Amino acid sequence: GQNIDQPTEMTATEGAIVQINCTYQTSGFNGLFWYQQHAGEAPTFLSYNVLDGLEEKGRFSSFLSRSKGYSYLLLKELQMKDSASYLCAVRDTTSGTYKYIFGTGTRLKVLA
Amino acid sequence: DTAVSQTPKYLVTQMGNDKSIKCEQNLGHDTMYWYKQDSKKFLKIMFSYNNKELIINETVPNRFSPKSPDKAHLNLHINSLELGDSAVYFCASLRTGTPDTQYFGPGTRLTVL
Repeated sequence: GQNIDQPTEMTATEGAIVQINCTYQTSGFNGLFWYQQHAGEAPTFLSYNVLDGLEEKGRFSSFLSRSKGYSYLLLKELQMKDSASYLCAVRDTTSGTYKYIFGTGTRLKVLA
Repeated sequence: DTAVSQTPKYLVTQMGNDKSIKCEQNLGHDTMYWYKQDSKKFLKIMFSYNNKELIINETVPNRFSPKSPDKAHLNLHINSLELGDSAVYFCASLRTGTPDTQYFGPGTRLTVL
């Protein structure tokens, strides 16, 4: 089957660093995505990994280990506007076409 | 110049009614999706169309029927609405490339009373 796990909630302080973990199980893995979703808004694309290693984009970085079925999103120099849900999603090809399977998301609260 | 638009933004209706949600994208993408996000914020794929052809149909009750009149539009019709259908429904369109990126519409919050 397909399964994606993320912590439900995390809290961090403005200016700090936070790491949001995601573990997945799927037979047709073809890439891992991170999306940000502010309350009441649509998800927006943050980052993508298909090979093992770290991808850095400004304050945000994402890491992937395919052998461990594990990814994390690292947010540095946290700002209040980073308070949002962060959704981990796996692109899966088990059905013969690309399908995006989302985790339940991690709600991040950034405190002053 | 909204990239992916949905109407209506809010929909409140009684159990048993039939309703439709419309989605349009002006990005020229070939692939579009419908997702359902429940109260626990779980975003679950329902359908996907590629150039008007249905390519993904998850285990969704057949009360839900998607229609794609052209590749820029993907509508969702729901018959005999039930309380459990209450959720936010997101339409998305896919830009292929490295990486593929989904662009989500603003969502339609459906409340069934």
